[in-house]
Amino acid sequence: EPEVTQTPSHQVTQMGQEVILRCVPISNHLYFYWYRQILGQKVEFLVSFYNNEISEKSEIFDDQFSVERPDGSNFTLKIRSTKLEDSAMYFCASSEYAGSMDEQFFGPGTRLTVL
Amino acid sequence: AQTVTQSQPEMSVQEAETVTLSCTYDTSESDYYLFWYKQPPSRQMILVIRQEAYKQQNATENRFSVNFQKAAKSFSLKISDSQLGDAAMYFCVNDMRFGAGTRLTVKP
Repeated sequence: EPEVTQTPSHQVTQMGQEVILRCVPISNHLYFYWYRQILGQKVEFLVSFYNNEISEKSEIFDDQFSVERPDGSNFTLKIRSTKLEDSAMYFCASSEYAGSMDEQFFGPGTRLTVL
Repeated sequence: AQTVTQSQPEMSVQEAETVTLSCTYDTSESDYYLFWYKQPPSRQMILVIRQEAYKQQNATENRFSVNFQKAAKSFSLKISDSQLGDAAMYFCVNDMRFGAGTRLTVKP
């Protein structure tokens, strides 16, 4: 059964460094998403991406964040200059239709630790 | 702002019994969808059930059903005949906004 994959599973970085989190969505899906979950807190929507552009973003998704689909398979989240408060679990998801109405398929997550 | 509220941080149920998880939401949309997702320990989040707001009939998926009260903006999940494998975090979702989650424990 197709699934969303994410790499790495755990990333440790120093404050101020750039990180890139990678995701491979399900191949026939057209909508892609990033969420984050700070330990013990709720899952927060960051951004949705469709047709090679951001379709919606939350107030969390500021200029430090960017997303890209560099080729036909990968979907990446870049954090330009990491802060301590960026430490969280980051989930990628994809769906065939818009996520507000369609089932989203989630990856296993990347745990980001900022020291 | 759209919000989703789950007021039960933790719930416990005896195996084979029934449990109901609560969710309320706030939206200005007239047509929308609501979801329950399950996140088992150390496993990926998966969809449990989906409800379309314009459908009056409550969605059902095997042992899982919802009580959708549109006027009250309430969307509770009922799990019947609870199994050990139902133990997980359950999230209520509307328009990519998640509730805080309810951790369900199933006692043998």
